[in-house]
Amino acid sequence: AQSVTQLGSHVSVSEGALVLLRCNYSSSVPPYLFWYVQYPNQGLQLLLKYTTGATLVKGINGFEAEFKKSETSFHLTKPSAHMSDAAEYFCAVIGNTGGFKTIFGAGTRLFVKA
Amino acid sequence: DAGITQSPRYKITETGRQVTLMCHQTWSHSYMFWYRQDLGHGLRLIYYSAAADITDKGEVPDGYVVSRSKTENFPLTLESATRSQTSVYFCASSDEQLNTEAFFGQGTRLTVV
Repeated sequence: AQSVTQLGSHVSVSEGALVLLRCNYSSSVPPYLFWYVQYPNQGLQLLLKYTTGATLVKGINGFEAEFKKSETSFHLTKPSAHMSDAAEYFCAVIGNTGGFKTIFGAGTRLFVKA
Repeated sequence: DAGITQSPRYKITETGRQVTLMCHQTWSHSYMFWYRQDLGHGLRLIYYSAAADITDKGEVPDGYVVSRSKTENFPLTLESATRSQTSVYFCASSDEQLNTEAFFGQGTRLTVV
């Protein structure tokens, strides 16, 4: 069965600083990995996804993530945080066993200080 | 309008009452999902459906019932609401491809008093 662990329920950075949100996955088959963002009182929207091919994936709003199979990780980064990045971020995995279910991590809330 | 819509957006109900949350999508996506979001737990899958008339349990199905008579609709029913079912509920849909993302509704905030 697939699972996702997000390290840190809260992360706080200063505006302009590097954003690093950590995600480790467990999957017995090659995973498909996603990062979603949730702004207050809204549903989730896709930031980026890894399926196959290039392990460094670029998404919207300047975010990117790198798939590292040896470390079973898919950490999300952004070189310079902006106030508008404050939101909750979810790492997710789909495996090709048991149907196309998306399994989510517990989420990391990002705070951006002025 | 194209997309996925949930109704109602907010609901307060009493313990023991039956409540149905509605979800409608316009993309003809094969897969539909119901998640609940609770602090510290992220999103937990309640039920999902691979196609009309095909449903399956997720991680936390107890106390919930779903149906899918039409591809575009996937209602979630709480047969006898309990306080522990106070949560934010999200419906999502996706295509039947492994590499496609899920598209989410705006959520329904349910309070059971």
